[in-house]
Amino acid sequence: QVKLLQSGAALVKPGDSVKMSCKASGYTFTDYIIHWVKQSHGKSLEWIGYINPYSGGTNYNEKFKSKATLTVDKSSSTAYMEFSRLTSEDSAIYYCAQRWFDYWGQGVMVTVSS
Amino acid sequence: DIQVTQSPSSLLASLGERVTITCQTSQSISNNLNWYQQKPGQAPMLLIYYATSLQTGMPSRFSGQYSGRSFTLTITSLEPEDIANYFCLQHYSAPPTFGSGTKLEIK
Repeated sequence: QVKLLQSGAALVKPGDSVKMSCKASGYTFTDYIIHWVKQSHGKSLEWIGYINPYSGGTNYNEKFKSKATLTVDKSSSTAYMEFSRLTSEDSAIYYCAQRWFDYWGQGVMVTVSS
Repeated sequence: DIQVTQSPSSLLASLGERVTITCQTSQSISNNLNWYQQKPGQAPMLLIYYATSLQTGMPSRFSGQYSGRSFTLTITSLEPEDIANYFCLQHYSAPPTFGSGTKLEIK
């Protein structure tokens, strides 16, 4: 079955960057886009952007355009998101989701603290 | 961006009770709305897609309806395992936008 396995929690300092991964299995990786979503304060959700694993093409939410970079490694069926210049506002859980948000990864908790 | 207004933000209901959650969009999105269930510490799970279609494996007590810009998720008879946060997502146009969530608890 479809699974999206995300990397572990991260504790990072303000101003640093964090790179998280989302490893897909149970389907052909290049068939469906991968979205990234931010969940703050346990409730509200925001779409960050998506990447097409086949072409590498991306589409970002304007709000996150200068903050997030999406990439893929087709050889390992893994999508990555790098989040840069972190502030306390970036402390959240980050999810990857496949296709039209049919399946979601388990989430990565990012804590930004000095 | 399309705004999605979800209500109520929290809901106390009794076991066996019928529960309804609503999402209203700021413009027409046809049927391009999904409903999700999220339990504490877990990833969201797709319940309903394209407004009315029940995801494979989800209990039949969950159903979705829509009329115009108003979308409803109904649980016909509340079970203990339904305690969760529920939210909707419109994927008609970019950026996809989410409802603010409904926390469902047992009375």
